[in-house]
Amino acid sequence: RKEVEQDPGPFNVPEGATVAFNCTYSNSASQSFFWYRQDCRKEPKLLMSVYSSGNEDGRFTAQLNRASQYISLLIRDSKLSDSATYLCVVNEGGGGADGLTFGKGTHLIIQP
Amino acid sequence: EADIYQTPRYLVIGTGKKITLECSQTMGHDKMYWYQQDPGMELHLIHYSYGVNSTEKGDLSSESTVSRIRTEHFPLTLESARPSHTSQYLCASSEPGDTFYGYTFGSGTRLTVV
Repeated sequence: RKEVEQDPGPFNVPEGATVAFNCTYSNSASQSFFWYRQDCRKEPKLLMSVYSSGNEDGRFTAQLNRASQYISLLIRDSKLSDSATYLCVVNEGGGGADGLTFGKGTHLIIQP
Repeated sequence: EADIYQTPRYLVIGTGKKITLECSQTMGHDKMYWYQQDPGMELHLIHYSYGVNSTEKGDLSSESTVSRIRTEHFPLTLESARPSHTSQYLCASSEPGDTFYGYTFGSGTRLTVV
């Protein structure tokens, strides 16, 4: 059974702080990884693809650890607008949906 | 500026009614999907299509059906709505090919069956 596990939170973090959360996956053959952001009652939106070498986009850094089978998302200098649920998505292969597994999401609340 | 459109945005309907949730995309994507998401829960794949006249059931058993007569259109139908169908339904599409680059999601249909 495919499993993608995330700490549901909520993570309550003061504005300006750095926050990081992990996502673990069970299938070692998983090929690609993504972080999505979902605001309350909205659709998920792609935040970052996660590459084996790690990648950075402004205040956001994503990393992959294949040996330990987890991916991480780091948010620096957090803003109030970062409050959302962050979904981890793991693709086990191919270009189709049957290989994708979504985590339940980590709920982040940035406090003023 | 959305490239994938879902209608209606919200729907409240009585038990036993037939409903169709619409999803259209203008990106020419071959691959389209329907996900169901309950509040605070993960997305579950209920249907997908890799092109015209191709439809498959997803991981989550669903009483809904889909059709793909045109590339840009992927409607989902419930023949007889029940309160257990109350949920958010998200349509998505992705680029063709064997490499997955991520989804573009529609804004969703929030369905309430009373």
